[in-house]
Amino acid sequence: AQSVTQLGSHVSVSEGALVLLRCNYSSSVPPYLFWYVQYPNQGLQLLLKYTTGATLVKGINGFEAEFKKSETSFHLTKPSAHMSDAAEYFCAVSDMNNNDMRFGAGTRLTVKP
Amino acid sequence: ETGVTQSPTHLIKTRGQQVTLRCSSQSGHNTVSWYQQALGQGPQFIFQYYREEENGRGNFPPRFSGLQFPNYSSELNVNALELDDSALYLCASRDSAMNTEAFFGQGTRLTVV
Repeated sequence: AQSVTQLGSHVSVSEGALVLLRCNYSSSVPPYLFWYVQYPNQGLQLLLKYTTGATLVKGINGFEAEFKKSETSFHLTKPSAHMSDAAEYFCAVSDMNNNDMRFGAGTRLTVKP
Repeated sequence: ETGVTQSPTHLIKTRGQQVTLRCSSQSGHNTVSWYQQALGQGPQFIFQYYREEENGRGNFPPRFSGLQFPNYSSELNVNALELDDSALYLCASRDSAMNTEAFFGQGTRLTVV
């Protein structure tokens, strides 16, 4: 069975500061890893995904994440936070057939002016 | 191409009633998954349908059931509603043949009173 743990239910940063959202995964098979963003009363939007190949993955809105197998981590970063980045972020894992996607509990990002 | 659409967007039901939620998958997507997202939590996998058959299920009781139609649209049915069934229900579709990631609808907000 696969699972993810997101460290920190709430993260607050100042506008222009580094954003770091942490995600660790557990999987008995090579994982596919995802980061989704959710704005209030909306569905999930894919930010980026890791399947195979390059371990540093770039996504939309300036976000990127690095797959570190030795640390079973897939942390999300953005060099400079913008007010519009305030939202709920979810890390997710699935098998290599994209089946049975499991989500973390989410991290709420607040961006202070 | 159209995205994933869900209906209705909101509804209120009484405990013990039955409810049907609907999902139209993105054009060309043959696999549909349903998730329950309780307030302040991450989405929980309910089940997945491929070619009109359930081919994966999370830890949900049998009163949660579904259907997939030949046009790949889907329904989620919940019988004997309980107060804890109040949540945002998300539908996601993908193309299994191309092994694409899941694309999510905006969700249906169900309130059980």
